[in-house]
Amino acid sequence: AQSVTQLGSHVSVSEGALVLLRCNYSSSVPPYLFWYVQYPNQGLQLLLKYTSAATLVKGINGFEAEFKKSETSFHLTKPSAHMSDAAEYFCAVANQAGTALIFGKGTTLSVSS
Amino acid sequence: KAGVTQTPRYLIKTRGQQVTLSCSPISGHRSVSWYQQTPGQGLQFLFEYFSETQRNKGNFPGRFSGRQFSNSRSEMNVSTLELGDSALYLCASRPSGTTNEKLFFGSGTQLSVL
Repeated sequence: AQSVTQLGSHVSVSEGALVLLRCNYSSSVPPYLFWYVQYPNQGLQLLLKYTSAATLVKGINGFEAEFKKSETSFHLTKPSAHMSDAAEYFCAVANQAGTALIFGKGTTLSVSS
Repeated sequence: KAGVTQTPRYLIKTRGQQVTLSCSPISGHRSVSWYQQTPGQGLQFLFEYFSETQRNKGNFPGRFSGRQFSNSRSEMNVSTLELGDSALYLCASRPSGTTNEKLFFGSGTQLSVL
């Protein structure tokens, strides 16, 4: 069965610092992986997705993620944090049938000036 | 193009009552999915409708039901509300012929059960 685990429920960085949000997956088939962002009182917005093409995936707002099969990881990074990046981030994997997403518990990113 | 629209934005109900939430997908999208978001369980898939038929269902009790109309609008119903049903309910739509990489989410309905 597919699952994702997000390491760290809360990450704090300074403005301009590297952002690293960790996600490990478990999948019995080649996975489709996603990162979503949720701002307060809003729905989910897709940041980026991995669908078995390039292992380094670039998304919106300067975020990128690298798919590492050997480590079963799909960590999200951004070289320089901005105050506007403060939000909750969710890693997700498509279920085996591709009919639904299975989400991690989420990581809240705080950015201080 | 308008996004996924969910109404109402907030709801307060008491235990034992029932509630109906509404979702209007993006124009042209025929697939609508529902997710429940709680602090403890995170985001969990409820069900998906396509062309008025439920195609997939998550692991939720029968108190949770839904339907889809011919214009692709969807409603979700929860009967005999329990305190644990307090959650943000998110609706998502996607174009026909695509899978979950094309999901678009609404802002959700925040349900509080007292």
